[in-house]
Amino acid sequence: DQQVKQNSPSLSVQEGRISILNCDYTNSMFDYFLWYKKYPAEGPTFLISISSIKDKNEDGRFTVFLNKSAKHLSLHIVPSQPGDSAVYFCAASASFKTIFGAGTRLFVKA
Amino acid sequence: KAGVTQTPRYLIKTRGQQVTLSCSPISGHRSVSWYQQTPGQGLQFLFEYFSETQRNKGNFPGRFSGRQFSNSRSEMNVSTLELGDSALYLCASSLASHLDEQFFGPGTRLTVL
Repeated sequence: DQQVKQNSPSLSVQEGRISILNCDYTNSMFDYFLWYKKYPAEGPTFLISISSIKDKNEDGRFTVFLNKSAKHLSLHIVPSQPGDSAVYFCAASASFKTIFGAGTRLFVKA
Repeated sequence: KAGVTQTPRYLIKTRGQQVTLSCSPISGHRSVSWYQQTPGQGLQFLFEYFSETQRNKGNFPGRFSGRQFSNSRSEMNVSTLELGDSALYLCASSLASHLDEQFFGPGTRLTVL
């Protein structure tokens, strides 16, 4: 039972354009959402988060949007850079645990 | 400040053996969580330890166990290894809870032959 789903295993974007990574969750108990980025041979690193009381959080080129009614969140990267090429995991947290999605591999082409 | 360290980085075992993985959290961090990463499955939560006590547990069989020491260092043990246990095992530390920002180690790549 996947409570957090990233339905796109990969995404390819041209440098300078917008990258949009999507994530859906099923459990309405989740109240905190995070995005992590992972390069090969490294552990994931925290990127940006959002609380369920907000619908948008922005940090530089990265913006996370939360649609609670649709149980959907997305990460927007604009403009995309080649260094953004990595696997992106979304995660949803509640008091009991943090659940990660399967990840989306982003390729940013120069 | 040193990051999260995991040892060993790579490990090859055969079916039926057992393995112990080690994780040293960031100094001052008291929560340690373990995850299994396999292709297509993302990061699956194994368990979380805080103050030497297992606080949360994922849906893994009893062959997977762990412990935490008084200095917050943690070990994970897998007994009677199966081919399907081949994965990257990641450890993450946070200040007090998995709800805090988690800092991940580089992982231990376990291959079961």
